Amino acid sequence: ELKVEQNPLFLSMQEGKNYTIYCNYSTTSDRLYWYRQDPGKSLESLFVLLSNGAVKQEGRLMASLDTKARLSTLHITAAVHDLSATYFCAVDPRHGAGNMLTFGGGTRLMVKP
Amino acid sequence: EAGVAQSPRYKIIEKRQSVAFWCNPISGHATLYWYQQILGQGPKLLIQFQNNGVVDDSQLPKDRFSAERLKGVDSTLKIQPAKLEDSAVYLCASSPRTSGSYEQYFGPGTRLTVT
Repeated sequence: ELKVEQNPLFLSMQEGKNYTIYCNYSTTSDRLYWYRQDPGKSLESLFVLLSNGAVKQEGRLMASLDTKARLSTLHITAAVHDLSATYFCAVDPRHGAGNMLTFGGGTRLMVKP
Repeated sequence: EAGVAQSPRYKIIEKRQSVAFWCNPISGHATLYWYQQILGQGPKLLIQFQNNGVVDDSQLPKDRFSAERLKGVDSTLKIQPAKLEDSAVYLCASSPRTSGSYEQYFGPGTRLTVT
């Protein structure tokens, strides 16, 4: 059974600081996704990582994938309050069989002024 | 482009009652998914459709949950009878095809409370 673990589960940080969220998974996969969820809202796609060494950046967020270590990171640079949300990683292990995502438990990020 | 539509947005029922949720995916998206998200957890996949056929329903509690996508477009998820532990947000998502396309687009969800 595929397990996807995120840490930390909760992160409180000051504006302007940097931090990294980690996503570990238990089986071979080269497809990993990051989503953002605001309270009471649905999931918004942030990044799709499709190969070992993939790196994508959007604004203050940068995601990377190391398939050999079965690890993805979401790095936050100079955090601002608007980044406060819950972030989920999701893994699709079934190559070619259709996007069967297994989600991590989420990291709740709170950015304080 | 219109997003994934779901209704109702909220539903409160008593245990042992039945309930149905509706989803209309993004136009042209062949693949449709239903997820259950319990408060404080990540979404859990319940069932995946490709057009009007089921690709995977291994995590669907079939004794009480059922889902259909008769014409390969919109879909209905039903719970009968509901239990307290079914309280969750039910998310519908769609993607253009089963493999190769790498994004799922999520609807706003239906928040179910079972009392």
